[in-house]
Amino acid sequence: AQSVTQLDSQVPVFEEAPVELRCNYSSSVSVYLFWYVQYPNQGLQLLLKYLSGSTLVKGINGFEAEFNKSQTSFHLRKPSVHISDTAEYFCAVSEADAGNMLTFGGGTRLMVKP
Amino acid sequence: GAGVSQSPRYKVAKRGQDVALRCDPISGHVSLFWYQQALGQGPEFLTYFQNEAQLDKSGLPSDRFFAERPEGSVSTLKIQRTQQEDSAVYLCASSLLVNSYEQYFGPGTRLTVT
Repeated sequence: AQSVTQLDSQVPVFEEAPVELRCNYSSSVSVYLFWYVQYPNQGLQLLLKYLSGSTLVKGINGFEAEFNKSQTSFHLRKPSVHISDTAEYFCAVSEADAGNMLTFGGGTRLMVKP
Repeated sequence: GAGVSQSPRYKVAKRGQDVALRCDPISGHVSLFWYQQALGQGPEFLTYFQNEAQLDKSGLPSDRFFAERPEGSVSTLKIQRTQQEDSAVYLCASSLLVNSYEQYFGPGTRLTVT
């Protein structure tokens, strides 16, 4: 069975600074990888996904992530954050050909300070 | 078009009561998922439907949990004899195709069992 670890439960950062949210996964088969964002009292919104092809994927709101198979990582980055990026971020994996269910990490709260 | 909707948004139940949570997926979406999100944690998979067929219910925590999607559209998650540990946000997600890995999430139902 797959599992997902988000190494930081909270990441404080100043506005316009770069940020990296870390995600590592474990699985014995091929996986698809996702990052979701959750604003207070809202559902999850897909930021970006890796299914195949280029290991660097770009998503909405200026976010990008890089799939590293050897390190089983899928870290999320943004070169310059905005106050409005304050939210909870979840990394998730889905095993190929396994019904599309998502396994989520515990989440990272990004707190952008002025 | 409308996104995934869930009702009620908030539900308070006394321990031992039965509750029913409703999910309206995006029209035409074949796949429907239920997840449970405890406070401060990532969502955890409960069950998965493809049209009206419940293909995976491995995440349901006990036989007090029951889900249905009789006509392949609206789904109901029922919890019988609620317990305090059932307090969580219940998220519904849908996706267009069987092999579509992009899930669209509803806002969730926050269940509080007192």
